[in-house]
Amino acid sequence: NAGVTQTPKFRVLKTGQSMTLLCAQDMNHEYMYWYRQDPGMGLRLIHYSVGEGTTAKGEVPDGYNVSRLKKQNFLLGLESAAPSQTSVYFCASSYSRTAAPMGYTFGSGTRLTVV
Amino acid sequence: AQKITQTQPGMFVQEKEAVTLDCTYDTSDPSYGLFWYKQPSSGEMIFLIYQGSYDQQNATEGRYSLNFQKARKSANLVISASQLGDSAMYFCAITDNNDMRFGAGTRLTVKP
Repeated sequence: NAGVTQTPKFRVLKTGQSMTLLCAQDMNHEYMYWYRQDPGMGLRLIHYSVGEGTTAKGEVPDGYNVSRLKKQNFLLGLESAAPSQTSVYFCASSYSRTAAPMGYTFGSGTRLTVV
Repeated sequence: AQKITQTQPGMFVQEKEAVTLDCTYDTSDPSYGLFWYKQPSSGEMIFLIYQGSYDQQNATEGRYSLNFQKARKSANLVISASQLGDSAMYFCAITDNNDMRFGAGTRLTVKP
């Protein structure tokens, strides 16, 4: 009963360091998403993918890159971390763009702190 | 542009009473979907209920119901018979021609 798995769950980075967040789903979903959650702002879309080998920018893409080399995996990279990227990151997947009627399936989140 | 507005940062309700969480949205697409998610203190996002823009009836899922007023662009979540375990953040979200966009959330606290 895995669904969407995110690794790592917690990470502390120094300013300027790089890291990759991994998202894996076992539901054969075409669509995958990366969101960040900040207090008082809900979830904001960083990047998304509509299928293997495709990526697109969301609402807040600056400072992040993504790749989807395999259908089940969606990677989020921070090349040079900044304190403004301190946040909780959620990966999600869905079988359709509209996500009707079951919504997106979310991972458990990654809490990232940049010092 | 802000697509989803949740005007109540925090709400309190007495155990066993009903509570309504407000959500208004903005879209020019005739076809869209509205969702509510619950986020307990443990942090996971739990899907609660869905309403399609063409659905004739308000959606219901157990103790959750959605008061959908299309002309007013309103999709309020009603939780009946509140339980202590309902204490959480609640997010309203929309999918239209774009991807899912979320409101800022409402923190619900259920008092014993």
